[in-house]
Amino acid sequence: QQQVKQSPQSLIVQKGGISIINCAYENTAFDYFPWYQQFPGKGPALLIAIRPDVSEKKEGRFTISFNKSAKQFSLHIMDSQPGDSATYFCAGSNSGYSTLTFGKGTMLLVSP
Amino acid sequence: DSGVTQTPKHLITATGQRVTLRCSPRSGDLSVYWYQQSLDQGLQFLIQYYNGEERAKGNILERFSAQQFPDLHSELNLSSLELGDSALYFCASSVDLAGGPSSYNEQFFGPGTRLTVL
Repeated sequence: QQQVKQSPQSLIVQKGGISIINCAYENTAFDYFPWYQQFPGKGPALLIAIRPDVSEKKEGRFTISFNKSAKQFSLHIMDSQPGDSATYFCAGSNSGYSTLTFGKGTMLLVSP
Repeated sequence: DSGVTQTPKHLITATGQRVTLRCSPRSGDLSVYWYQQSLDQGLQFLIQYYNGEERAKGNILERFSAQQFPDLHSELNLSSLELGDSALYFCASSVDLAGGPSSYNEQFFGPGTRLTVL
């Protein structure tokens, strides 16, 4: 059972554009939603994370929007740059348990 | 550099064989997690160890096993290997404050071991 569904699988955005990746979760016990960024040949690295008591979190060009009633959250990358080209994973976790359930990933390509 | 080390970087072996993947967590981290990454399944959680004890189990096959040693390094053992076991295997570590909220438990991933089963 896939508990975190992520879309799209791949995304091509022009430099300077907005990249949007969406995730939906099923487990209502999840209370921590991180996004990980993975470059080719590297392990995933935490990019930004949100807890469901806020509807939005912004760090630089990266913003998470969270809709608790819809059980959805999304990552917005403003002013996308070629250096943002990577695979992005959303995830969910349950307080008291540190294991993460990942979405299947979105391969982002930002064209120059 | 996350501070998590994994060896070897690449591993090529034949079906039916047994391999051991090694992970050293960041200094001070008590939890180690193992993940399998493949194109069709994405990042799948396999198993977690906390301070030497198994804490959580995910989609880990019976042919796979893991352990965490007193110095906190961990090994993932894969046996009776099949073609479908070819994948990237990642280790991650976290402080894992007991009973703490998940937001305190950022996982730091190692560079991975690429396993190819021929």
